[in-house]
Amino acid sequence: EVQLVQSGAEVKKPGESLKISCKGSGYSFTSYWIGWVRQMPGKGLEWMGIIYPGDSDTRYSPSFQGQVTISADKSISTAYLQWSSLKASDTAMYYCARQSKSAAGIWGQGTLVTVSS
Amino acid sequence: EIVLTQSPGTLSLSPGERATLSCRASQSVSSSYLAWYQQKPGQAPRLLIYGASSRATGIPDRFSGSGSGTDFTLTISRLEPEDFAVYYCQQYGSSPPGMYTFGQGTKLEIK
Repeated sequence: EVQLVQSGAEVKKPGESLKISCKGSGYSFTSYWIGWVRQMPGKGLEWMGIIYPGDSDTRYSPSFQGQVTISADKSISTAYLQWSSLKASDTAMYYCARQSKSAAGIWGQGTLVTVSS
Repeated sequence: EIVLTQSPGTLSLSPGERATLSCRASQSVSSSYLAWYQQKPGQAPRLLIYGASSRATGIPDRFSGSGSGTDFTLTISRLEPEDFAVYYCQQYGSSPPGMYTFGQGTKLEIK
């Protein structure tokens, strides 16, 4: 079965760092882009950026450039989204998705990140 | 950056009725790169339509997509109780390369 499994919920304080993960299985992880999507509480979907694990080619939405870092370790079929200094406004659900040009057909279950002092 | 505007923001209908959701782009989008998703509370989004009009695996045929250029439509021919959810369109653009954007969503609620 093709699936993406994300790491568990996180509660952090402002200024702390964080790295969440998305592990792919059931397919060739290096052959598909992995995208990250933010959903703030009660709000819509926001596309953050994307990585091609085969060569680590990475693109960011202008809204998220410089705010987060997307990476991947193809040896363990895992993509990452990380923050160096969290803000309260980073509180959201974060989804990874296997993304082609036409659509994102496979989604992770989501990782809830709560940033609160 | 291409902006997708969905309308209406909220659509109130009854089971059995027909739903028509709109997604308008700020500049022309390749039909091959326009998708629709459904999201229910507490769940990840689910792909419904890709390439503007192709149903994803397992999607009932009451869901259909159409459109080209800057205007795209998702139609649900006869609403079932499980169809009440939020719907998003998404596009892949080439300027700048590799950028995707979502519409703001349409909430389909029971009247």
